[in-house]
This record gives sequence, structure tokens and C-alpha cells, in this order.
Amino acid sequence: EPEVTQTPSHQVTQMGQEVILRCVPISNHLYFYWYRQILGQKVEFLVSFYNNEISEKSEIFDDQFSVERPDGSNFTLKIRSTKLEDSAMYFCASSGDNYEQYFGPGTRLTVT
Amino acid sequence: AQSVTQLGSHVSVSEGALVLLRCNYSSSVPPYLFWYVQYPNQGLQLLLKYTSAATLVKGINGFEAEFKKSETSFHLTKPSAHMSDAAEYFCAVTAAYGGSQGNLIFGKGTKLSVKP
Repeated sequence: EPEVTQTPSHQVTQMGQEVILRCVPISNHLYFYWYRQILGQKVEFLVSFYNNEISEKSEIFDDQFSVERPDGSNFTLKIRSTKLEDSAMYFCASSGDNYEQYFGPGTRLTVT
Repeated sequence: AQSVTQLGSHVSVSEGALVLLRCNYSSSVPPYLFWYVQYPNQGLQLLLKYTSAATLVKGINGFEAEFKKSETSFHLTKPSAHMSDAAEYFCAVTAAYGGSQGNLIFGKGTKLSVKP
């Protein structure tokens, strides 16, 4: 069964460093998303991406964040200068045309 | 604006008992509703969805949910709990725009424990 994959599973970085989180969505999906879940809190939407551009973003997704689909398979989230409060589990998701979003296993980002 | 409220952050049932996890939504446009399950240290797995067809929807692992517009509810049920159902369950809503795929708004989650 096709699945969304994410790498790395755990990333530790120092405050102020740049990180890139990587995702491989399901191959025939057209819509891509990033969500995050701070420990003990609910899952929050960050950004959605369709047709090679951002279609929607939340107020969390400020200028420190960017997304890219550099080739036909990868979908990345970049945080330019990480802060302590960026520590969270980051989930990538993708969907086709049936509103079903499939989530990856997540990348746990720890900022020290 | 849309929001989801899940009543009860923790629910505990005995194995074989009925599972009922509550979800109420608020939406200014017709909603699509979802239940996801998250097992420890794993991602979110789609259990079932409501997208304006049948109001009673069946999902995986014996779960089902009923959309009740008058009550703005989408409660998740399972007739008989199994130990393997122990997990955290999230209700989510998105706007049902034609042809668009909106972002999901999640509730805070309900952790289900199943006692032997």
C-alpha cells in the first residue's frame, strides 16, 4: 500500500540553525501539507501546496518557514533559523481528489 | 471559521465494552469531517470520513461515526472495544469547497485506554 515517508525521523539542532525536513508524498497525489504537533498539544496546520505553489498557510507559517517541491517526488519544509519553540513533531500529508489526507510518520524536531 | 471540540481528553473502557468518543464541530460552511487514530510514536491514520454522502459512515477496525447536522456532532463509536484500540483519536474538520482540498482543523484528541 502506498504511504507517505518522512526523513529524518528525529532531528536535533541548535537554536538559530537551518533545518530541512523531507517528505515523499504518495506518488499520484496532487495536494501536499505540513502540520506540526507540539508535545501534548493538538495537531496544527502549517501550509498546503498545490500546483507548485502555496495554496494556504496558517499564521504559524511566517517568513522563517518555506516549502519546496524540488523534483517530482520530494516535498520539503525549511526552517531558516530555528527557535526553541519550533520543537515539535512535524507531519507531512498528501491527498488526491477525495479529501483523504494521508500522513507520514513524522519528524521529531528538537531545538536546543 | 471552523473548530472542533472533543469532549473528554481521556476515556477508559473495558475490553468488549462500547466505545464512544465525542466530537462537536463548528463550521460556517458545509463541513467534511474525519476521524484519525494515532498509535504511540506513529503518524496519523485515517479511520473514516464524512463527505456529505451517507450520514452514517463506517471505517476501519470496526469503527463508525454518524454525522448529525442538528447537533453539529460526529461521534465515533465501536460496539466492542479491543485491547489494540488503545490509542489517541483525533476528530478533524475541513471546508467542503467544490474541487478544493482544504487544510484540516483538529480537535485536541481523546486518549482511549482499554482495560482487560
